[in-house]
Amino acid sequence: DGGITQSPKYLFRKEGQNVTLSCEQNLNHDAMYWYRQDPGQGLRLIYYSQIVNDFQKGDIAEGYSVSREKKESFPLTVTSAQKNPTAFYLCASSLGGWGYTGELFFGEGSRLTVL
Amino acid sequence: GQQLNQSPQSMFIQEGEDVSMNCTSSSIFNTWLWYKQDPGEGPVLLIALYKAGELTSNGRLTAQFGITRKDSFLNISASIPSDVGIYFCAGQNVGNEKLTFGTGTRLTIIP
Repeated sequence: DGGITQSPKYLFRKEGQNVTLSCEQNLNHDAMYWYRQDPGQGLRLIYYSQIVNDFQKGDIAEGYSVSREKKESFPLTVTSAQKNPTAFYLCASSLGGWGYTGELFFGEGSRLTVL
Repeated sequence: GQQLNQSPQSMFIQEGEDVSMNCTSSSIFNTWLWYKQDPGEGPVLLIALYKAGELTSNGRLTAQFGITRKDSFLNISASIPSDVGIYFCAGQNVGNEKLTFGTGTRLTIIP
C-alpha cells in the first residue's frame, strides 16, 4: 500500500545527543514536510522540501536539520541545539508544492522524549 | 509564524449529539482544509474547500468556507464514538503560500 512511514514511533534521548527521525514515502510525491506538534499549539512547520536536493526553513527551524537526497526520503535531525526537543513529530508529503491543492498526507508520527 | 484560532479548544459531548466548531484568521485564505487526528496517529484529511461560500459534505460531516474568506466551519451530525480525536483546520493564503494550521479542537464523547 502507498503511504508515509515514520520511524521510530517512540524515541528516548539524553540531553546533548543528536537524533535522526526517518520519513519515507512511496506515493511518488514531490514535496515533503516536517511538523512539530505540542499540546494546545497545533502543528508548526519545521522544514519543507518541494524538490529533491532543495529544502527551506519553516517557522521553527532552529535546532533542526534535514536533507533531501532522494525523492522518497526526508530525514529530520534534532540536534543538541534544540532547546526543547520533547514533542510529537509529523512528516507529511504532497503531490505538488504549496501551489498545488494544499492537501497533505501525514505519517503516523514519532514521539521524541528527552530525558 | 501565523496560527489560526480554533474554537472551542475542547468539547465534551454525549453520543448522538451534533458538533460545531470554527476557525478564524486575520488573513484572507483561498483554501480551507479540515483534518482529523486520532490519538497517537497523524492527521487525515476530511474535507477541502476551495471557494468562498462553498458548503461541502462528507457523510455526517459538513464544512463551509466563510464568505469573508477569513473563517471556516465544521459540523458533525449525530456523533459516534469514533469521532473522538483532534480536529484541525488549515488555510492557504492568497498567493499559494504554505499551509497554516489551527490550534485544534479536541472532541471527547462522554459515555
